[in-house]
Amino acid sequence: AQSVTQPDIHITVSEGASLELRCNYSYGATPYLFWYVQSPGQGLQLLLKYFSGDTLVQGIKGFEAEFKRSQSSFNLRKPSVHWSDAAEYFCAVSGATNKLIFGTGTLLAVQP
Amino acid sequence: SQTIHQWPATLVQPVGSPLSLECTVEGTSNPNLYWYRQAAGRGLQLLFYSVGIGQISSEVPQNLSASRPQDRQFILSSKKLLLSDSGFYLCAWSGTGEETQYFGPGTRLLVL
Repeated sequence: AQSVTQPDIHITVSEGASLELRCNYSYGATPYLFWYVQSPGQGLQLLLKYFSGDTLVQGIKGFEAEFKRSQSSFNLRKPSVHWSDAAEYFCAVSGATNKLIFGTGTLLAVQP
Repeated sequence: SQTIHQWPATLVQPVGSPLSLECTVEGTSNPNLYWYRQAAGRGLQLLFYSVGIGQISSEVPQNLSASRPQDRQFILSSKKLLLSDSGFYLCAWSGTGEETQYFGPGTRLLVL
C-alpha cells in the first residue's frame, strides 16, 4: 500500500540554524513527491515538487529537497531557518491517479 | 492566475444539523477538484474528488457527500452532522492531467 512517513512529529531549531525534515515513502511505481507548508489555521502552500530529472529540487522560501530512490526518501532542507518558517510541514506522494497521500506532518518551532 | 475560495471560513454547528461547504476556483477550466479533511493532530484524508461536472468519487464511507453542480464549484454536504465531523476541511484543485494540487484556505468546522 502507498504510504508516507514523517518520523518527526515536532522539531525545534534555533533561528539561523540549518533544518532537515525527514520523509520516507512507500510507492510501487515512480512517485511524484511534494512538500507543503501550513501556517496555523491556513491552507496548504506548495513548497516544491519532484517528478523526474535532477534529484535535488529547489523550492520557494529557500527550501530544497533531495529525492533518494535507494532510501525511498525525500527530505526537506533549509540552510538557515527564519522565525517565519515556524509552521507544519507535510510530505505527500501521488501517482497516476492524481490522489495525494500525505504524511502526518512535522511541526516546526523556531527559537529566537 | 488561478485562485481558490472556500466559505465559510469558520462554522459552529449543532449535532444533527445540515452542512454545506462551498469551494470555487477561478482562472481555470475543467479542473480536478478535491475535498480533504484534517482532524486535530492528524494528516490530511482525501474525502472526495471530481474530474468533471456531476462526477464524484468517494474515498471513504462517511456521513458526508459531495456535489459538483458547475465546472468550478465543489460542495461538501451532510444531512445530519456528527461530533466526529469536526475538523478542518480543505478544498484543492489540479489542472486536467496534472499532478500538482493547490489548496484553498480551508473551513474550520466545530460540531457541538
